[in-house]
Amino acid sequence: QKEVEQDPGPLSVPEGAIVSLNCTYSNSAFQYFMWYRQYSRKGPELLMYTYSSGNKEDGRFTAQVDKSSKYISLFIRDSQPSDSATYLCAMSTPRDDKIIFGKGTRLHILP
Amino acid sequence: DTGVSQNPRHKITKRGQNVTFRCDPISEHNRLYWYRQTLGQGPEFLTYFQNEAQLEKSRLLSDRFSAERPKGSFSTLEIQRTEQGDSAMYLCASSSNPGQGSGDTQYFGPGTRLTVL
Repeated sequence: QKEVEQDPGPLSVPEGAIVSLNCTYSNSAFQYFMWYRQYSRKGPELLMYTYSSGNKEDGRFTAQVDKSSKYISLFIRDSQPSDSATYLCAMSTPRDDKIIFGKGTRLHILP
Repeated sequence: DTGVSQNPRHKITKRGQNVTFRCDPISEHNRLYWYRQTLGQGPEFLTYFQNEAQLEKSRLLSDRFSAERPKGSFSTLEIQRTEQGDSAMYLCASSSNPGQGSGDTQYFGPGTRLTVL
């Protein structure tokens, strides 16, 4: 079992829909949780950064962390075609600052 | 542009040749990371520097790979005797880590895409 599991998709949804992306993980030491967006042939761009459990909202994006279930989610409201990209979940521990990434989920927003 | 920059953006080489990539981090970021990403996978950690000190190397980093950050600013990643399996996107990231255990927000560059023929 990999440390971070993420469904690679692709996930196709109509414009304006709410998108739900998620990851599970096995290492209970993870405390920092991130979501990156990556457009084709570009570097990852940091979207959300959360510490420990709870929710964080930024515009149309909401990140949730449930440490008891080892499950994190990213919700995108009012999805736009420009949101079409690969979304990578990532996490790290306080002891070890390197980031462990999921495989990424390819998202297509259909106009 | 004050983000992380990487050069070259693309590199095509023949098997057995040596290649070198450069990363310029965000100004005054003391940490610099190298990752490798293959198609359909997330980035995988290779190594990182705090200032000029190389603090950790992944077991993915074979003896043919070497990284330097001589003055604590830009970094280079060299691959000697390239193999077809080295074909990947090589990503650099930087952060201004306030100290271990305080979380680390890493900002990525656009990557260098390496193709080994």
